[in-house]
Amino acid sequence: AQSVAQPEDQVNVAEGNPLTVKCTYSVSGNPYLFWYVQYPNRGLQFLLKYITGDNLVKGSYGFEAEFNKSQTSFHLKKPSALVSDSALYFCAVRPYNFNKFYFGSGTKLNVKP
Amino acid sequence: DGGITQSPKYLFRKEGQNVTLSCEQNLNHDAMYWYRQDPGQGLRLIYYSQIVNDFQKGDIAEGYSVSREKKESFPLTVTSAQKNPTAFYLCASSTYQGDTQYFGPGTRLTVL
Repeated sequence: AQSVAQPEDQVNVAEGNPLTVKCTYSVSGNPYLFWYVQYPNRGLQFLLKYITGDNLVKGSYGFEAEFNKSQTSFHLKKPSALVSDSALYFCAVRPYNFNKFYFGSGTKLNVKP
Repeated sequence: DGGITQSPKYLFRKEGQNVTLSCEQNLNHDAMYWYRQDPGQGLRLIYYSQIVNDFQKGDIAEGYSVSREKKESFPLTVTSAQKNPTAFYLCASSTYQGDTQYFGPGTRLTVL
């Protein structure tokens, strides 16, 4: 069965510090991997994706993510957090041969001044 | 949110009534999706459609119905059979190859 896990319901970080939001997955084959951000009462906004190639993917607003095939992980990172980064973050996976997306349960990021 | 519109933004329904949520996209995407999001929860797939006149049930299709008569439109009907319809509903679309999924702004449905 396909699944995505975000083990932390909430991550707290001080402004200016690095942040990491974790994601692990269980999908057959070589999956497509995504990160989305959601602000209150809004739709999801696409941040970045990994399809193939370099394991470190750069995306919008200074975010990046590292793909680790052996650990089946795709952690979201940012070198210096901003208060405006506070939001709900979702990891998503799509099997390479099937156009259906699987989402994690979401991680609430709180960046404090 | 660009390219996908959902209406209305807020919707109130009395118990026993059917309601239809609108989703329109101008991205020329083949695939469209409906998700339900409950407070503090992730996204659960209701229905999805890969091409016009074809759609498949997702994980929580009971009490919902869809149609896909046009490429740009994928309306969702929440029927009276849905036991707990109060939720935030999100529509999304992607190319047939599914490279990236883009989301609409959502509709918040409240049953009174």
